[in-house]
Amino acid sequence: DTGVSQDPRHKITKRGQNVTFRCDPISEHNRLYWYRQTLGQGPEFLTYFQNEAQLEKSRLLSDRFSAERPKGSFSTLEIQRTEQGDSAMYLCASSPRLAGGPTDTQYFGPGTRLTVL
Amino acid sequence: AQKVTQAQTEISVVEKEDVTLDCVYETRDTTYYLFWYKQPPSGELVFLIRRNSFDEQNEISGRYSWNFQKSTSSFNFTITASQVVDSAVYFCALSEGRDSSYKLIFGSGTRLLVRP
Repeated sequence: DTGVSQDPRHKITKRGQNVTFRCDPISEHNRLYWYRQTLGQGPEFLTYFQNEAQLEKSRLLSDRFSAERPKGSFSTLEIQRTEQGDSAMYLCASSPRLAGGPTDTQYFGPGTRLTVL
Repeated sequence: AQKVTQAQTEISVVEKEDVTLDCVYETRDTTYYLFWYKQPPSGELVFLIRRNSFDEQNEISGRYSWNFQKSTSSFNFTITASQVVDSAVYFCALSEGRDSSYKLIFGSGTRLLVRP
């Protein structure tokens, strides 16, 4: 049983470039979350999917950010025209959705550390 | 508004000492869930415990114990006989029952350094 995986683990890019990150959730988990964590802070919610539907987006997610989960399995997070302020750790988490009850625990991947020069 | 406060930014102890990490939360919801995660230097958040608002029983798991007190909106975490491998950043988090996303609201974390 594999956990949540993310690729790449590290990404260095120049300002203005586009970057894309991938997250593979735990098999059978229908909820998938993206968070952003800056140095010395706790993770902050960006967006979440239930199956392939993106149901909520944080105000932190500017129009340069887009996320997809086309078949309800893996997800991608794209940042266009990167800025130095986008430098952070991007964390993905997944959880099962228990029918008729509260969601279960979110399990996190190792994260993708983005550095924008 | 919902909020999680971890007032201790950094704690340093000597191995085998007991240490308590504080967590205070704010929510208007009557149904909510509290979590603790550990983030070692590798960066991955490791789930430690989940507690719902209707269950105030304290919990013990090996050297770890948690004290949930609704009266003071606190969910503190104690490590008994700390070990060097416990060195990490620990996050307390909250999710609210009325929020259908169940997104996690994290505190700013407490960095624990256990010295040999």
